[in-house]
Amino acid sequence: QAVVTQEPSLTVSPGGTVTLTCGSSTGAVTSGHYAYWFQQKPGQAPRTVIYDTTNKQSWTPARFSGSLLGGKAALTLSGAQPEDEAEYYCLLSYSGPRVFGGGTKLTVL
Amino acid sequence: VQLVESGGGLVQPGGSLRLSCEASDFTFSYYWMNWVRQVPGKGLEWVADIRPDGSEQFYVDSVKGRFTISRDNAKKSLYLQMNSLRVEDTAVYYCVSTYWGQGSLVTVSS
Repeated sequence: QAVVTQEPSLTVSPGGTVTLTCGSSTGAVTSGHYAYWFQQKPGQAPRTVIYDTTNKQSWTPARFSGSLLGGKAALTLSGAQPEDEAEYYCLLSYSGPRVFGGGTKLTVL
Repeated sequence: VQLVESGGGLVQPGGSLRLSCEASDFTFSYYWMNWVRQVPGKGLEWVADIRPDGSEQFYVDSVKGRFTISRDNAKKSLYLQMNSLRVEDTAVYYCVSTYWGQGSLVTVSS
C-alpha cells in the first residue's frame, strides 16, 4: 500500500500565501490520482475543499486553489484568513483503493 | 446536499454492525462513494469505496474479508457491513462522496 506524505505543520501570516503539498511513495502524483483536499476544524466533520486535483466545491473560497507542483499535488491558499486555520488532509486514488496523507496542521498567525 | 449515516453503536469484539448512509439532493448514482473512519483525535483513514454502478469495490487491507461496502442507487443509499469487529475498528465512520456525512460512532469493546 502506498504512503502519502504531507507537511506535519505550516504557519502562514494573515493575508499571506502558503502551499501545502501531497506526495506519493509510488512516484509522481498525476491527474490520475484524482487528488482531494479536505479541511477539518476541531470538533467538526471534514469537508471537501478541492476534488479531482483542481475542482472546487460550491462553498470553497476563491483564495483556495489546487494544482500539481513538482510531482506532488498542491493546495495553495492565497490571502489566508483566520478562519482557514485547520487540519488539511489530502487523499490520493490508486486506481480504486485510496490513501490519506497524515494531515497538515495549518496555523494562521 | 445531505448524507446521513446511521447504524453505529457499541458492539463486542467479534460482533457485527451495518452502517447505512442516505443521500438527499444529490445525484447519488453518478458518484463513487466511500467510507472513511477517524479515531477521535487522530487522522483520517480511508476504509472502502464502490463504483457508481456498484460493480467494483475496494478496501483497505485491514478490513478485507471482514467489511463489505454496497449501495442501492434506487434508494440513494450506501451501506457498510462490518463483521468480526475488532477493538481497533473503533472510530467515527463517515460516508463520503465529495460531500461528507456527520459521522456515526462505532465502539468495539467488551
